[in-house]
Amino acid sequence: DQQVKQNSPSLSVQEGRISILNCDYTNSMFDYFLWYKKYPAEGPTFLISISSIKDKNEDGRFTVFLNKSAKHLSLHIVPSQPGDSAVYFCAAGGKWTDKLIFGTGTRLQVFP
Amino acid sequence: DAEITQSPRHKITETGRQVTLACHQTWNHNNMFWYRQDLGHGLRLIHYSYGVQDTNKGEVSDGYSVSRSNTEDLPLTLESAASSQTSVYFCASSEGGQETQYFGPGTRLLVL
Repeated sequence: DQQVKQNSPSLSVQEGRISILNCDYTNSMFDYFLWYKKYPAEGPTFLISISSIKDKNEDGRFTVFLNKSAKHLSLHIVPSQPGDSAVYFCAAGGKWTDKLIFGTGTRLQVFP
Repeated sequence: DAEITQSPRHKITETGRQVTLACHQTWNHNNMFWYRQDLGHGLRLIHYSYGVQDTNKGEVSDGYSVSRSNTEDLPLTLESAASSQTSVYFCASSEGGQETQYFGPGTRLLVL
């Protein structure tokens, strides 16, 4: 059973517009959430995180929103740039463990 | 600069052979993880370690083993390689707690 789900395998957005990537989770015990970005032939790199005590965290063009009642988080990228084209993974962790559970990823393509 | 490295970056082997993938980190992190990335499955945890002499099974551990004899290294061994183990393998490390995991560049393994 997939505890962290990214239901959109791909997303295409025009440069300058907003990209919204979504992630749903099933385990209410998850305590913190992260987004990773992955370019081809490279390892994932950390992008932004949010604790379950918050509903929003912002870092430059990237904002993560957390809706605990809906068990849903989203990553907003504004404005989108061609260099943002990559696969984005959401991940979740709990207080009881240092392990992360990853979603299946969403491939974002930003076109001119 | 501290880093995490993996070797080899590419490996071709035959079914039934034993294969060892190396992972080395210079952050002095306690936690180390091995994942495999497959299309449609995202990143799945194979094995992990919270310190020297500590190893634990992840969600897809069958056919794999790890050992942790020092802080810096967590080699992953495929006891008898199978075609189903063709994948991209990523090693990661973290300080512990809710700290970010840092990923290596990956090893692409092809089992013929």
